[in-house]
Amino acid sequence: EAQVTQNPRYLITVTGKKLTVTCSQNMNHEYMSWYRQDPGLGLRQIYYSMNVEVTDKGDVPEGYKVSRKEKRNFPLILESPSPNQTSLYFCASSPRGLAGPVYNEQFFGPGTRLTVL
Amino acid sequence: AQKVTQAQTEISVVEKEDVTLDCVYETRDTTYYLFWYKQPPSGELVFLIRRNSFDEQNEISGRYSWNFQKSTSSFNFTITASQVVDSAVYFCALSDDSMASNYQLIWGAGTKLIIKP
Repeated sequence: EAQVTQNPRYLITVTGKKLTVTCSQNMNHEYMSWYRQDPGLGLRQIYYSMNVEVTDKGDVPEGYKVSRKEKRNFPLILESPSPNQTSLYFCASSPRGLAGPVYNEQFFGPGTRLTVL
Repeated sequence: AQKVTQAQTEISVVEKEDVTLDCVYETRDTTYYLFWYKQPPSGELVFLIRRNSFDEQNEISGRYSWNFQKSTSSFNFTITASQVVDSAVYFCALSDDSMASNYQLIWGAGTKLIIKP
């Protein structure tokens, strides 16, 4: 089954304790992205990657790191989590960009609910 | 700057009523793309539709229809004969040429739709 998987789905942690949220897709997509969802703000992009070893900042990259060493994986790293990073996180992938005559929708993972105490 | 406004934070209707979710967007580009996503209580994001700025035809898919009006910068979503299963948060999103190269979407804050039996 074609899908984007995220782990863990739920995580409660404490301030300053490094954590990694994994994201993996089995569709051979070039593009992957991380978003956070907060009430009243919709989704905001954290980082994105257009291919292996190519990553760039989105709108809210502060406090996050990513890496893209393999095409299928795009982990999100919080080196020193803080309470303001409590949020619902989504990973997404797409075979190409969003524009153009042939649309390729973004496939979203199931989400990771993170609480930082 | 690009912006998506979903002024309706929450809408509550009785089953079988028609309901329209509003979406107003801002962009300076002449080429842009508009999206609707559904987020049911289970939390996943479900793609509903994409429209290009050069295609102003309205779209109907079963009980769902979308009204794209460039003159008012709106891309409204109507559910006809609503059902309890339509209860979800609905997001409108925008990507224009300047963002499409970065594969980025700008999201509205979402409208929570409650369908009462």
